[in-house]
Parts: sequence; C-alpha cells; structure tokens
Amino acid sequence: AQTVTQSQPEMSVQEAETVTLSCTYDTSENNYYLFWYKQPPSRQMILVIRQEAYKQQNATENRFSVNFQKAAKSFSLKISDSQLGDTAMYFCAFMRRSGNTGKLIFGQGTTLQVKP
Amino acid sequence: DAGVTQSPTHLIKTRGQHVTLRCSPISGHKSVSWYQQVLGQGPQFIFQYYEKEERGRGNFPDRFSARQFPNYSSELNVNALLLGDSALYLCASSAVRLAGTDTQYFGPGTRLTVL
Repeated sequence: AQTVTQSQPEMSVQEAETVTLSCTYDTSENNYYLFWYKQPPSRQMILVIRQEAYKQQNATENRFSVNFQKAAKSFSLKISDSQLGDTAMYFCAFMRRSGNTGKLIFGQGTTLQVKP
Repeated sequence: DAGVTQSPTHLIKTRGQHVTLRCSPISGHKSVSWYQQVLGQGPQFIFQYYEKEERGRGNFPDRFSARQFPNYSSELNVNALLLGDSALYLCASSAVRLAGTDTQYFGPGTRLTVL
C-alpha cells in the first residue's frame, strides 16, 4: 500500500521569502504521479503542481517548483517570493499510473502562514 | 468555463438519516471522484466513476454508495448516518485520457454535520 507523509504540521514564512515544504512517500510502483494541492481557508482545493515519475526534470509553475528525488522517494515543494495569498494548507498527493482507479492518496497536510 | 460544482454547500442531518450529495464535473470531463475530508486531515478516497461505471472504491462501509449519470454528474449517498460521518465531502473531476489517469480538479465541497 502506498503512503504519503508530510512531517511538518505547521510552517511560517515572511512575505517575499522562500519556503520549502517536505513530503515523502512509500510505494513499490515505478510509474506514478505526484501532486501538490493548496487548500486556502475558503476550502477549495487547488492544484499547485504535478510531477510525472518517469520525468527526471523537476516541475515548475511560476513561483512554485519541486525537488523530486525518486530514489529517496522525496517530493518537496519550494515557494519563492512568498505572498500573503499563499497562506493555506498544502497537501502532497500520490496517484499510481496503472490500474486507473483514480485514487489520490494524500498526506496529512502542512499549514503554511505567510506573515507580512 | 465553470469549474466543478457541488450542492448543497452545507448540510445538517441527525444520526440514522440519509443524505445525497451532488456534483457536476468540468465540461468535457468524464470522470468523477469523491473524497471525505475530516477536519485537519487530508482527504480520503471514497469512489471514482468513469463513464457511469465504478472504477475505484476506498475503505468505506456499504452505507456509502454513488452513481454517475449520462451527463457525467454524480451523486454520493450515505445511509444510516453516524456522528463520524461529519466531514467535508469533496468531488473532483478529471478527463482521464487513454494513456492513464489524469489530474483531478476539485469542487468547493459539501460540509456535512451529523448531530
């Protein structure tokens, strides 16, 4: 069974600074997807970034980038130039590619507060 | 284009009652997944439906059921409600390309409170 672990329940960062959120996962699969989702206090879950395991290049989306270490089963999210609107709960999630069950496995989440 | 929509926004029920939650996917998406999110935790997978057929089921009791309609909208039904069913229920839609599973986009959720 796959598991996803986020070891940082809460983090804070000053506006305009950089912060890194950690995520590790456990799987015996070779083909899978990894995601970071953001859930602001308004509760709508928003996709931040997606990584396909077969791609060695780390995904980036504007101020958001990941450090994907497949051998170490690590998938951290870096937020550059943090903004007040980045305040939210961040979830790391895993999806196996085979089987097509559409099951996302989420970590426990990290609450990020961006301070002015 | 409209995103994933869910209704109702909030719902209060008492133990033993039945509840139906509704979800409309993004236009062009044929797959809908349901998740339960207890306060302070990550979402837990309940079901996925694609082309009106169940393709995945999480570790939830038979009190939980779902279906998908020809227009790809979906209903989640929960019978014999328990206090522990109080949670945010999230619906997500995806395109599900032939090559494999696809990114899921979430709706705003339905907050269910069981008294």
